Amino acid sequence: DGGITQSPKYLFRKEGQNVTLSCEQNLNHDAMYWYRQDPGQGLRLIYYSQIVNDFQKGDIAEGYSVSREKKESFPLTVTSAQKNPTAFYLCASSMGRGFDDTQYFGPGTRLTVL
Amino acid sequence: AQSVSQHNHHVILSEAASLELGCNYSYGGTVNLFWYVQYPGQHLQLLLKYFSGDPLVKGIKGFEAEFIKSKFSFNLRKPSVQWSDTAEYFCAVNARGNNRLAFGKGNQVVVIP
Repeated sequence: DGGITQSPKYLFRKEGQNVTLSCEQNLNHDAMYWYRQDPGQGLRLIYYSQIVNDFQKGDIAEGYSVSREKKESFPLTVTSAQKNPTAFYLCASSMGRGFDDTQYFGPGTRLTVL
Repeated sequence: AQSVSQHNHHVILSEAASLELGCNYSYGGTVNLFWYVQYPGQHLQLLLKYFSGDPLVKGIKGFEAEFIKSKFSFNLRKPSVQWSDTAEYFCAVNARGNNRLAFGKGNQVVVIP
């Protein structure tokens, strides 16, 4: 079954703890993305990666970190420096090539920091 | 950088009514345009997209959108909605050749049976 998986679906953490969200894809896509969704705010880009071992900051990268050691995986770490980490986090992937690139999304992880 | 505006964040309508959701973007160059839909408890799914060619694009579930370049708009329409169209709808834009997507804030649509 092809697609993008994110785990876990729900995650609870205490304030001050770092937490890592998983994103895996088996679509053979080169590009992967992390977005944050807040009610009434749409989706905002945190980080993206167009190729293994390379990634760029998006619009709201402060307090987050990523790695891209494998093509299939793009984990996101929410650090204690992120001032308002409670949100719904969406991972996406795309071919990353050409002018007609389309992003496809995973089911998301809802993070609650207590 | 491009930005996207969606108006009327909350829309409530009855079954069989027509739906039109506005999307305007600010970018002077060539763009790719998308509408995504998020049904309650489900993934964000692609509804339709425009890259080039016929500016009237047909998507899944009877939706269509029209790209009007002179108005920087990509409005979504459905002539007759069903209860199952209750969802949040997002417009997204990227500059051609740049795969960074900019999203609007979404329209929460509730269809009353």
